[in-house]
Amino acid sequence: QKEVEQDPGPLSVPEGAIVSLNCTYSNSAFQYFMWYRQYSRKGPELLMYTYSSGNKEDGRFTAQVDKSSKYISLFIRDSQPSDSATYLCAMSVSTSGTYKYIFGTGTRLKVLA
Amino acid sequence: DAGVIQSPRHEVTEMGQEVTLRCKPISGHNSLFWYRQTMMRGLELLIYFNNNVPIDDSGMPEDRFSAKMPNASFSTLKIQPSEPRDSAVYFCASTRNTEAFFGQGTRLTVV
Repeated sequence: QKEVEQDPGPLSVPEGAIVSLNCTYSNSAFQYFMWYRQYSRKGPELLMYTYSSGNKEDGRFTAQVDKSSKYISLFIRDSQPSDSATYLCAMSVSTSGTYKYIFGTGTRLKVLA
Repeated sequence: DAGVIQSPRHEVTEMGQEVTLRCKPISGHNSLFWYRQTMMRGLELLIYFNNNVPIDDSGMPEDRFSAKMPNASFSTLKIQPSEPRDSAVYFCASTRNTEAFFGQGTRLTVV
C-alpha cells in the first residue's frame, strides 16, 4: 500500500463548477499537508499548506484535513480554464532535522470554457 | 532569487551511457530532494540531503543510481549505465522550512 493515495483522473469540469480533489494517507506521523499545482512541462508549485485538522481558505481554494480519517481535500470554487493543471497532494514528516515530503500521483484537471 | 536551477532541461542518451543531472538549490535552503516523475508512478522520492548529508536513499531504484551533494549549492544525480526504463522527468527541490521549491525538471529519454 502506498503511503499516499490519489485518484489520477483525468477530471473534466465546465467553467464555474466546484472541483473536489482528494487524497488518503496511511502514515499517522505526517504533520504538514500540502497541495501543489503543476502545469504542463513545469515543476510543481505550492498552492496551500496546513498543519492541523480543519479548513483553510485562500481565495477560491479551500484545503480540508481530517486527521482522524486520514483524508485531505482541496476544493476549487468557480473553476477557471486557467486552473487546468495537475494537482498533487503532499505530506511531510519530520526526520533527521528536516522534513521528508511524500507526494500523491496527482490528479489531472481540465476546466472547459 | 532565481529559484532552483536544474540542468540540462532535456537529455537524450543511448542505453548504456552515463547520465549526470545537476541541481543548484536556492541559497540558504538546507535540504535538497531528488524526485522522479512518470505517468504511471507519479512523483517518487529518490533521495534527500540535509546540510549536504544524505539522509535517506531508500527510494533510489538500483545501484546504477547515485547522488552527491559536495557543497550547499550543488548536487548531482548520476545514472550509470542508463536504461530505457529510466526515461522520466527528474526534479530537484530545496527547502528551508515547510515549503519545497521545485526546479523545472530534466526530461530524460534513454533510447
